[in-house]
Amino acid sequence: AQSVSQHNHHVILSEAASLELGCNYSYGGTVNLFWYVQYPGQHLQLLLKYFSGDPLVKGIKGFEAEFIKSKFSFNLRKPSVQWSDTAEYFCAVEYNQGGKLIFGQGTELSVKP
Amino acid sequence: DGGITQSPKYLFRKEGQNVTLSCEQNLNHDAMYWYRQDPGQGLRLIYYSQIVNDFQKGDIAEGYSVSREKKESFPLTVTSAQKNPTAFYLCASSIVSTSTGELFFGEGSRLTVL
Repeated sequence: AQSVSQHNHHVILSEAASLELGCNYSYGGTVNLFWYVQYPGQHLQLLLKYFSGDPLVKGIKGFEAEFIKSKFSFNLRKPSVQWSDTAEYFCAVEYNQGGKLIFGQGTELSVKP
Repeated sequence: DGGITQSPKYLFRKEGQNVTLSCEQNLNHDAMYWYRQDPGQGLRLIYYSQIVNDFQKGDIAEGYSVSREKKESFPLTVTSAQKNPTAFYLCASSIVSTSTGELFFGEGSRLTVL
């Protein structure tokens, strides 16, 4: 079955710390990969996406993610987090272009000022 | 302002009652989706529709029903058959023709069954 797994449920960091959130997906052929973010009280919005090409993609607010095909992973990174990065982060995979998105369980990030 | 409007934002219902959540979009998107968000479980797909008058079940369709009579509208009915309906419901839309996969979300509807 198609599935997406996020290993960390809740991450707590101090400002300026580096961030890496894990995301793995089950094999299913060609995939498009996404990270969405949900800030407190706001709706879900796209952080970054990967369709093809350079496996290192850059998104908004200094976030980046690396697609490692051999590991079926698409980890999210940020060199130095800010208090305003406090949010819930969701990894999502689109199997077979044009299909539905499968979401991971979400990772809640709390950044202490 | 283009976007997705969900209503109501908060809804309380007694057990055994059907409730309908509204979702309207003015983005001219072909596809619309309903997800359910529960703590620690992420978003799970209930139903989706890629074209008017057609829709498909998602992973957790039991106890829910939808209709897609107009491109802009995709209402979700939570029926009395849904065993655990208290949840946060998210509607989303996307452009199918370009297959970008990017979803645009509404602000959600929180349903509490008493």
